[in-house]
Amino acid sequence: EAGVTQFPSHSVIEKGQTVTLRCDPISGHDNLYWYRRVMGKEIKFLLHFVKESKQDESGMPNNRFLAERTGGTYSTLKVQPAELEDSGVYFCASSLGSGGYGYTFGSGTRLTVV
Amino acid sequence: AQSVTQLGSHVSVSEGALVLLRCNYSSSVPPYLFWYVQYPNQGLQLLLKYTTGATLVKGINGFEAEFKKSETSFHLTKPSAHMSDAAEYFCAVSDGGAQKLVFGQGTRLTINP
Repeated sequence: EAGVTQFPSHSVIEKGQTVTLRCDPISGHDNLYWYRRVMGKEIKFLLHFVKESKQDESGMPNNRFLAERTGGTYSTLKVQPAELEDSGVYFCASSLGSGGYGYTFGSGTRLTVV
Repeated sequence: AQSVTQLGSHVSVSEGALVLLRCNYSSSVPPYLFWYVQYPNQGLQLLLKYTTGATLVKGINGFEAEFKKSETSFHLTKPSAHMSDAAEYFCAVSDGGAQKLVFGQGTRLTINP
């Protein structure tokens, strides 16, 4: 079975630009999660989709971040406009069930804002 | 609110020595506890998890962890370190129902030959 795929693996953009990160979950996984690790800090939850609906977006830092999940399949996370503090590694995970014990994580996208 | 503290951002052990990575948590409800590992240029991989039942949990690659409610701890151990264990390890907690994970800061494990 294919794993969770994220791309790009790395992105370097200038402050004020827009970046879109994509996550392809494991086929059939209704639950999709985004997490972020800012350098030197812990991995933090951003949001959770169940199919195409946002179940919990309590971790989204501000309205510069927009997440979508088209048709309950892949998801995108757009940052517009990017700020320096948005730099970090963005992880996506998917699961069949809930509660965290069935998560499969992707390799992450390393975003650098200069 | 839940929280996780991993004692030591860097741990170094000799090959063949005991590995002990410490994790303490705070939770107002019975927690679900996890250890994840991240090898270089890879995603987070689940090592082991505790949900209910037996408090000593065995995971992949010879790792195990013990849930101690009285100490609010979930330390990760491996009797004999191998060079391939070099990675970053993350402890995490969820309340099961909330579905999101709360992570500790991570511990980078270095194995000395």
